[in-house]
Amino acid sequence: GDSVTQMEGPVTLSEEAFLTINCTYTATGYPSLFWYVQYPGEGLQLLLKATKADDKGSNKGFEATYRKETTSFHLEKGSVQVSDSAVYFCALSPSWGKFQFGAGTQVVVTP
Amino acid sequence: EAQVTQNPRYLITVTGKKLTVTCSQNMNHEYMSWYRQDPGLGLRQIYYSMNVEVTDKGDVPEGYKVSRKEKRNFPLILESPSPNQTSLYFCASSLPGRSPLHFGNGTRLTVT
Repeated sequence: GDSVTQMEGPVTLSEEAFLTINCTYTATGYPSLFWYVQYPGEGLQLLLKATKADDKGSNKGFEATYRKETTSFHLEKGSVQVSDSAVYFCALSPSWGKFQFGAGTQVVVTP
Repeated sequence: EAQVTQNPRYLITVTGKKLTVTCSQNMNHEYMSWYRQDPGLGLRQIYYSMNVEVTDKGDVPEGYKVSRKEKRNFPLILESPSPNQTSLYFCASSLPGRSPLHFGNGTRLTVT
């Protein structure tokens, strides 16, 4: 079946460091891919998305590129801030109504 | 303000006592769904609904019921809760197709 694997955390970084969170997926067909972010005590919020191969999603300095050849959708940010501390979820939607989420990666950014 | 509202935010109950967690959205979204979040497992889909009176099972539907009598509401019912249903629950909604989900703020359920 469809699944998402993302790197385990927590990932601890200093402010202004480069962030990468790896995400790989298994799916038949051509799923849409998403990154969601969860701040403490809140629900998940969409960070970015990509709907087809080679699409690049970007938002708030974060980027991820849909790589079908490596079945990956890694999240990157060039210079993190303390306010980026959160849990990040990679997700895929293989068809309408179905979503698969990764286990989540906690990111802690220290001043 | 566009939002998904869940109630209650926190709930402590005992094994076997029926409970309902409500979910309401004001964005006129066709699609609504329920997830549970557990450490190390991410979010797992319980049930989803494509539209009024149309519901389907997700990956972990056992022990749960849902109904979709109105477009804006999608309650989650636990007829006989058990301790393994202790979890953080999220409701979400979206437009048709593989559109992004809009999440509520969650309901933390503890079953003793």
